[in-house]
Amino acid sequence: VIWMTQSPSLLSASTGDRVTISCRMSQGISSYLAWYQQKPGKAPELLIYAASTLQSGVPSRFSGSGSGTDFTLTISCLQSEDFATYYCQQYYSFPWTFGQGTKVEIK
Amino acid sequence: QLQLQESGPGLVKPSETLSLTCTVSGGSISSSSYYWGWIRQPPGKGLEWIGSIYYSGSTYYNPSLKSRVTISVDTSKNQFSLKLSSVTAADTAVYYCAQQNNYYDSSGYKGFFDYWGQGTLVTVSS
Repeated sequence: VIWMTQSPSLLSASTGDRVTISCRMSQGISSYLAWYQQKPGKAPELLIYAASTLQSGVPSRFSGSGSGTDFTLTISCLQSEDFATYYCQQYYSFPWTFGQGTKVEIK
Repeated sequence: QLQLQESGPGLVKPSETLSLTCTVSGGSISSSSYYWGWIRQPPGKGLEWIGSIYYSGSTYYNPSLKSRVTISVDTSKNQFSLKLSSVTAADTAVYYCAQQNNYYDSSGYKGFFDYWGQGTLVTVSS
């Protein structure tokens, strides 16, 4: 099983801030990583796959980077609708696993 | 626009079998490009992949649940289903169905989830 460590667990930020979320793997996964956004009471939504490919319709202020064991999700200019919880998911090997989540809250 | 909708009982007794169905609309479950998956989320916690199925019936499961899980597909109804046996309170969660963007390369099967149902809360309690 590939273990994932997301950090921070909680991130307090203001509208307009640049924020970064980290996802670290227990072993290398090449670029087989996705990022999701989840708002309270809603299903997760795919933001990024293949570590850095933006899903259709996702704003360009979201970006992903990294390969191997270290990955980053960046929101370049935080908007009010971006306050949510973010999860990474590795799909390099079974079982596919998710990070524990990073909640982005209003500062 | 693809839509997925989970349905099934919201309350299941301990030791019984949880059964859920996902109905796909706006697209065909028989598409060769996709698998169809189940993911769950205990209240206030993170996400756990349960398993996935292809329209042909080919499946793969999370080993942590494999002994209790069965996923099946009904292409005539554009539906796929989840059965989880011998449930306990630890199985209380929101259960999501999702379209899995799936491919195979030299290092095996790969898949991420690009469309999700709204989720359904299943509580295990007597």
